[in-house]
Amino acid sequence: AQSVAQPEDQVNVAEGNPLTVKCTYSVSGNPYLFWYVQYPNRGLQFLLKYITGDNLVKGSYGFEAEFNKSQTSFHLKKPSALVSDSALYFCAVRDTGAGSYQLTFGKGTKLSVIP
Amino acid sequence: DGGITQSPKYLFRKEGQNVTLSCEQNLNHDAMYWYRQDPGQGLRLIYYSQIVNDFQKGDIAEGYSVSREKKESFPLTVTSAQKNPTAFYLCASSTSGHTGELFFGEGSRLTVL
Repeated sequence: AQSVAQPEDQVNVAEGNPLTVKCTYSVSGNPYLFWYVQYPNRGLQFLLKYITGDNLVKGSYGFEAEFNKSQTSFHLKKPSALVSDSALYFCAVRDTGAGSYQLTFGKGTKLSVIP
Repeated sequence: DGGITQSPKYLFRKEGQNVTLSCEQNLNHDAMYWYRQDPGQGLRLIYYSQIVNDFQKGDIAEGYSVSREKKESFPLTVTSAQKNPTAFYLCASSTSGHTGELFFGEGSRLTVL
């Protein structure tokens, strides 16, 4: 079965500092990995995905993520945090060996960027 | 503009009543999904449909029902059998295949009084 873990419920970072939101996954086949952001009482917005190829994926709003197969991780990063980045972030995985389109989400990490 | 429309945004119901949440998409996507979101628990899959007239149970299907009579529509009924229905419900769609990301609606917040 596919699963995703986001080990930190909350991450606090000062504005202008680099940020990292961690994600690890478990799949039986190859992973397709996704990051989403959610603002209060809104739906989820897609940030970026890893399908294949370059391990460093660039996405929306200056975010990027690094796929590490040996560590089964897909951490979200941004070089310089903005107060407007404060939101709930979700990592998700789809297992190519699972035979379905089901996407499994982590429990989310609340990012707070402090002015 | 293409997107996913969920309605209503907020809904209140009494215990013992069924309620149907609407989800419509004009993205021409084959696959559609319903997720439930509770604080601290992330998103849990209720039902998904990869094609018209076909759908599969997700991880927490008990007490819910769906239909997929049209490609654009995937309504979710929360029945009186659902023991704890108060939650934020999210509908999503995607292209077929494993590489497509999900596009989400703005959600429906259901409160049982």
